Amino acid sequence: AAGVIQSPRHLIKEKRETATLKCYPIPRHDTVYWYQQGPGQDPQFLISFYEKMQSDKGSIPDRFSAQQFSDYHSELNMSSLELGDSALYFCASSNPWGSPDTQYFGPGTRLTVL
Amino acid sequence: RKEVEQDPGPFNVPEGATVAFNCTYSNSASQSFFWYRQDCRKEPKLLMSVYSSGNEDGRFTAQLNRASQYISLLIRDSKLSDSATYLCVVRDTGRRALTFGSGTRLQVQP
Repeated sequence: AAGVIQSPRHLIKEKRETATLKCYPIPRHDTVYWYQQGPGQDPQFLISFYEKMQSDKGSIPDRFSAQQFSDYHSELNMSSLELGDSALYFCASSNPWGSPDTQYFGPGTRLTVL
Repeated sequence: RKEVEQDPGPFNVPEGATVAFNCTYSNSASQSFFWYRQDCRKEPKLLMSVYSSGNEDGRFTAQLNRASQYISLLIRDSKLSDSATYLCVVRDTGRRALTFGSGTRLQVQP
């Protein structure tokens, strides 16, 4: 079965640079979620989108922004990168017909900021 | 204090053992409850949802006690492949976000 796709899988950036992470949800899933997992930490919710509108917001820094496009894929834009932004970034998706609570996670993008 | 608390472990158990993990949550408005499994450097994968009546999926049994705000996971007949971090996860009423506990690490030994 198709899963959530994230790209790139690995990304290395310098401080103060920008990064864009992409997420392609499972087909027919209309909700995407972004989570950040720092080293040795549990995943922290950043933001979610439903039908291209922001549906919930967590601890997303002002330097980050995200959007969901008409094909339901989502992008997380990160600017003025800091060393502390080094983490695994997971995207998850869910659908309104199955269990709307169930979020399926992608393999993640590992961001390293040097 | 974290909203979802778990014993970090590690729990080191022999193959075939029964092991139980506990989790408490602080927000009485939490509405949905899950156990996710996470292998090292991989994505969290849903193990099972947790219902008030308790539910079982093969060797795994989950229980929810809303009055005590307590969730448990029981793994019977542990396999080497069960070695992973088990994340207790809640979703609050009116929110889409999942709130994760810090995870309990299980190491099943031959």
